[in-house]
Amino acid sequence: DSGVVQSPRHIIKEKGGRSVLTCIPISGHSNVVWYQQTLGKELKFLIQHYEKVERDKGFLPSRFSVQQFDDYHSEMNMSALELEDSAMYFCASSLALGYLSYEQYFGPGTRLTVL
Amino acid sequence: GQQVKQSSPSLTVQEGGISILNCDYENDMFDYFAWYKKYPDNSPTLLISVRSNVDKREDGRLTVFLNKSGKHFSLHITASQPEDTAVYLCAAGRQQGTGSKLSFGKGAKLTVSP
Repeated sequence: DSGVVQSPRHIIKEKGGRSVLTCIPISGHSNVVWYQQTLGKELKFLIQHYEKVERDKGFLPSRFSVQQFDDYHSEMNMSALELEDSAMYFCASSLALGYLSYEQYFGPGTRLTVL
Repeated sequence: GQQVKQSSPSLTVQEGGISILNCDYENDMFDYFAWYKKYPDNSPTLLISVRSNVDKREDGRLTVFLNKSGKHFSLHITASQPEDTAVYLCAAGRQQGTGSKLSFGKGAKLTVSP
């Protein structure tokens, strides 16, 4: 499967806990975007990296940090988890060239439940 | 505020009919418009997209119409099938710095009944 890979697929954490979500983009894609979706809400843009540099930050809480590595995979470190962090977290990747950067391909998502 | 809006959260169409999904946007800087399909508990999948320099793009049963003056774009699905039943997300993109950014609508649930 040459699609975007996300892990873990499901995770349950206690309030105040920590978690790490991983995203492996499609080979050749250096643009990685993270979104959050809570039930019934729109996809909320969190943060975007390409070529290992943060390019834009949206609704990413200060308790979360995201890093893109040399092989373009991305990790989201989440700390001091709150109940409202419960959501699906999608990452999407694309090429970083002009209009091609718009064509984002989504991973299967990680469902985070905070209890 | 939300830059991309899907005003109708749901639509039901008879099998074989035409499904029309609509999206309105606010930002004149958007130059890319796309539709994604999403099944429950699955991730969005890019269906079709159009750049701002064209008004229409067809791909099989799918057609995107873009009305720049009205800040509106739509997805038409002809010969709708039960397997078209899903949530459809519209998205608009704009260049930002050296990159680009997509803004998504909340989605509209299409049900195609046999």
